[in-house]
Amino acid sequence: GAVVSQHPSRVICKSGTSVKIECRSLDFQATTMFWYRQFPKKSLMLMATSNEGSKATYEQGVEKDKFLINHASLTLSTLTVTSAHPEDSSFYICSAQGGKAPYEQYFGPGTRLTVT
Amino acid sequence: AQKVTQAQTEISVVEKEDVTLDCVYETRDTTYYLFWYKQPPSGELVFLIRRNSFDEQNEISGRYSWNFQKSTSSFNFTITASQVVDSAVYFCALSGTASKLTFGTGTRLQVTL
Repeated sequence: GAVVSQHPSRVICKSGTSVKIECRSLDFQATTMFWYRQFPKKSLMLMATSNEGSKATYEQGVEKDKFLINHASLTLSTLTVTSAHPEDSSFYICSAQGGKAPYEQYFGPGTRLTVT
Repeated sequence: AQKVTQAQTEISVVEKEDVTLDCVYETRDTTYYLFWYKQPPSGELVFLIRRNSFDEQNEISGRYSWNFQKSTSSFNFTITASQVVDSAVYFCALSGTASKLTFGTGTRLQVTL
């Protein structure tokens, strides 16, 4: 139980284009989802927290217009990187909270984004 | 503000050696949770343990053991008889009443034959 998937696992896009990353909780309803970013050989940094049906709460320094987060249902959250630039290249990881252990965060496998 | 410090950036050991990964945390919350995660080269985070602030009992799970000491704000992780498959980056993390996880900078463990 408590499986979280992310799609795609890897994506390469050109500068200026937008890319969408999906995070799904497969066997539980996620009241809250979190998006993290991890640079190579660095720690995970929380980007934003999203609750189903409401606007995401962004951490300081994260551009909300660049990283659009939508949490339209209790099993799906999406992160859209708009007008991507090479510096947006990173490993993006989502986590979902809910289910039988409501305060536990279950992590997705991550999405490696490369912007050329 | 919450903070997690993992002072060891990289550790290299020979297989079968014991190794301890240090974690020191700071928080003003009286109720909080501490975690350890393993991140192998594939990138996926593997949950290892969660400990709440009211439970200072040490825990052992196979070759893994954890030592939680509130007096020194530390939550150290020991791997006994390390194996090559233990090679990974290990993150210590803290979550308080807001449920947001704060991660340490990670310790890269390399176990060689």
